[in-house]
Amino acid sequence: DIQMTQSPSALSASVGDRVTITCRASQSISSYLAWYQQKPGKAPKLLIYKASSLESGVPSRFSGSGSGTEFTLTISSLQPDDFATYYCQQYNSYPLTFGGGTKVEIK
Amino acid sequence: QVQLQESGPGLVKSSETLSLTCIVSGYSITSGYYWGWIRQPPGKGLEWIGSIYHRGSTYYNPSLKSRVTISLDTSKNQFSLKLSSVTAADTAVYFCARDVVPTAGFDSWGQGTLVTVSS
Repeated sequence: DIQMTQSPSALSASVGDRVTITCRASQSISSYLAWYQQKPGKAPKLLIYKASSLESGVPSRFSGSGSGTEFTLTISSLQPDDFATYYCQQYNSYPLTFGGGTKVEIK
Repeated sequence: QVQLQESGPGLVKSSETLSLTCIVSGYSITSGYYWGWIRQPPGKGLEWIGSIYHRGSTYYNPSLKSRVTISLDTSKNQFSLKLSSVTAADTAVYFCARDVVPTAGFDSWGQGTLVTVSS
């Protein structure tokens, strides 16, 4: 199985801050990586796919980069609606696996 | 636009079989894509359970494979999950989702349903 490791597991930030979350795969997954945002009591929402492609309707302040084993999700200017937990997921091979999540909290 | 909705019992007894259905609207499940189940224990992260291709082939998480069955009901445009011999460790919110591999990940999700395993 491909292990996905996210860091940090939690962070505190202020509105307007630039936030970066890292996801590392235990082996190369090419660009088969997705990022999701999840708010309490809700289903995850797809933000980014193929490592850097923005899902339709997602604000442009979200961006993704990386390939192989190292990936990042960047929020260029954190907004109040962005406080949530973020997950990466690889879909290069079965079993599909998720990172442990990064909780973004208000500073 | 595609919408998914999970249905099934919220309480299952230990050692019995958990059964959930995902009703899909706005898209025919026979038109394409995979259809998957993901779960999330309270306060924890996401775990992929398995996916079924629109033509019927299945892929399961090896950690659950011996207990999981996912199937399609094309006449009702829905797909189902059965998880046998449940224990308290299977208590989780269960989500169904459209799996658009290899283009992307899961692009549409149901709202999720909490299933509690009781002793």
